[in-house]
Amino acid sequence: DADVTQTPRNRITKTGKRIMLECSQTKGHDRMYWYRQDPGLGLRLIYYSFDVKDINKGEISDGYSVSRQAQAKFSLSLESAIPNQTALYFCATSGDGWWHFGDGTRLSIL
Amino acid sequence: TQLLEQSPQFLSIQEGENLTVYCNSSSVFSSLQWYRQEPGEGPVLLVTVVTGGEVKKLKRLTFQFGDARKDSSLHITAAQPGDTGLYLCAGDPTSGSRLTFGEGTQLTVNP
Repeated sequence: DADVTQTPRNRITKTGKRIMLECSQTKGHDRMYWYRQDPGLGLRLIYYSFDVKDINKGEISDGYSVSRQAQAKFSLSLESAIPNQTALYFCATSGDGWWHFGDGTRLSIL
Repeated sequence: TQLLEQSPQFLSIQEGENLTVYCNSSSVFSSLQWYRQEPGEGPVLLVTVVTGGEVKKLKRLTFQFGDARKDSSLHITAAQPGDTGLYLCAGDPTSGSRLTFGEGTQLTVNP
């Protein structure tokens, strides 16, 4: 089983819809992150959490929200999706000096 | 926001050639990481460098952290088609908190 699992892997939806991307991890790490990847821009940090009660905004948090339901679960929500949120989304964990990324969710908003 | 600039953005070479990818910033990082990403997958951590001037080797890959901890390079010797992928550098400004990524270098090694 993968260390970091993201669901769904692909999603196509319409403008204005609410969408939730889910992430679960088996590494036992306290720190979890959500990044988005766009061509030519690398990965940009949306939100991060250092433990269950800690949530922090990253550099591009507008239009997104997160929930840390448990140490192993960190979900990302788009309350009202817009086309420029079309991107590849990655969840990551870090601990013991090592980082692990999920395989991503490809999100398309029409 | 601390920026990391990678160069070149695209690199296409023949099998057996050597190459170097650069990652530069005007900011100091406590550590710098290199990742490799293949289509449909997440980035996979290759190495972390933490000391200015540090050099690490991973088979045919050599990673160097600049003395001032503002830049890094990745050198691949005798590239192989299996080295094809997107190489990303990422810096941690405050030790274990969050990563800032470069734009990536798309490497294609032709047989």
